[in-house]
Amino acid sequence: KQEVTQIPAALSVPEGENLVLNCSFTDSAIYNLQWFRQDPGKGLTSLLLIQSSQREQTSGRLNASLDKSSGRSTLYIAASQPGDSATYLCAVRDLRDDKIIFGKGTRLHILP
Amino acid sequence: DAMVIQNPRYQVTQFGKPVTLSCSQTLNHNVMYWYQQKSSQAPKLLFHYYDKDFNNEADTPDNFQSRRPNTSFCFLDIRSPGLGDAAMYLCATSRVNQPQHFGDGTRLSIL
Repeated sequence: KQEVTQIPAALSVPEGENLVLNCSFTDSAIYNLQWFRQDPGKGLTSLLLIQSSQREQTSGRLNASLDKSSGRSTLYIAASQPGDSATYLCAVRDLRDDKIIFGKGTRLHILP
Repeated sequence: DAMVIQNPRYQVTQFGKPVTLSCSQTLNHNVMYWYQQKSSQAPKLLFHYYDKDFNNEADTPDNFQSRRPNTSFCFLDIRSPGLGDAAMYLCATSRVNQPQHFGDGTRLSIL
């Protein structure tokens, strides 16, 4: 059964620093992996989607990488800003049963 | 902007009183999903539609039902809400193997 883990559960970083969020999954048989942002009391906003054949995707200050064989993805945020404070979730679409499995997220706090 | 709209944003109901949450989309996506998310937890998929084909998760309680009368609308019906059903309910849409787009959710409280 596919499991998605995000460590740490919470992270505080001074403004301006670059940071990396981690996501791991137990079964490499995936269609894709997606990173989301969730603000308190809100829905999820899609940030980046990486297809299983891709190694990375970039959007502005965000870069997501995928190493399918090791079951890992990272989300790199450059030059962090207080507005980046949110919970970041990753989700994989499992190839075997076509289900989307979410991690519990990393709660990020950027210190002004 | 094309988007996924959930109504209402906040819903309060009484224990055991049926409640319906709604979701509409202007993206013309063929797949629609309902998730339940409790505090500090991952969203949990309840069911989804590929067009009109309904797919129920094995562990979704019978208390939860869904309707999709057309491409644009999808409803979540909770027949007899219990205290444990208090949560954020998220609707999402996508094309097959494309990014999911989420609404802002409906926060359900049970009195």
